Amino acid sequence: ETGVTQTPRHLVMGMTNKKSLKCEQHLGHNAMYWYKQSAKKPLELMFVYNFKEQTENNSVPSRFSPECPNSSHLFLHLHTLQPEDSALYLCASSQESTTQETQYFGPGTRLLVL
Amino acid sequence: SQQGEEDPQALSIQEGENATMNCSYKTSINNLQWYRQNSGRGLVHLILIRSNEREKHSGRLRVTLDTSKKSSSLLITASRAADTASYFCATPHTGKLIFGQGTTLQVKP
Repeated sequence: ETGVTQTPRHLVMGMTNKKSLKCEQHLGHNAMYWYKQSAKKPLELMFVYNFKEQTENNSVPSRFSPECPNSSHLFLHLHTLQPEDSALYLCASSQESTTQETQYFGPGTRLLVL
Repeated sequence: SQQGEEDPQALSIQEGENATMNCSYKTSINNLQWYRQNSGRGLVHLILIRSNEREKHSGRLRVTLDTSKKSSSLLITASRAADTASYFCATPHTGKLIFGQGTTLQVKP
């Protein structure tokens, strides 16, 4: 248990659906991250939020829409996804968004797009 | 090309043996981190080594860093079946942590 929770743990959706992934951290951290992990590929950073402000958008398609209402919660809104978006989506948090900080990961949401 | 690349991609050993994984990177760094991931789960931080450190220990883990060769190694001594997982190095690059593709370690009982 790392102090970062994610829901749902598994999600199957059609290409026309709209769904949201939720992440919550109980560590008092100020930075939160979304990563995508596909088979045979390195972990890909998608978004970074620091003190609720988005500081990084790693050229992510607009069908992925993040939301950070406060430092403890992070959402990833999904709409009109493609089958190639099927992956494990990992949320992480750290005290600050510097590269010297340890990141704490949630268990991930396994997404399948049909 | 990757900022951090692990070698080997896969490693299979018997319980009790030592496991060594290597990470090479391309640009100058001020620290390097190692993470572990059990199948289908999130990553767990193992150890951070700073650029002015050559070696660091944590329990059965030993990490070395050679900044002249731009490489790091993770040694797991006296491996256990529970060490079966993927291991990733992470290096800072352009203000972000970049993860390698990982080494998949299987420890057979």
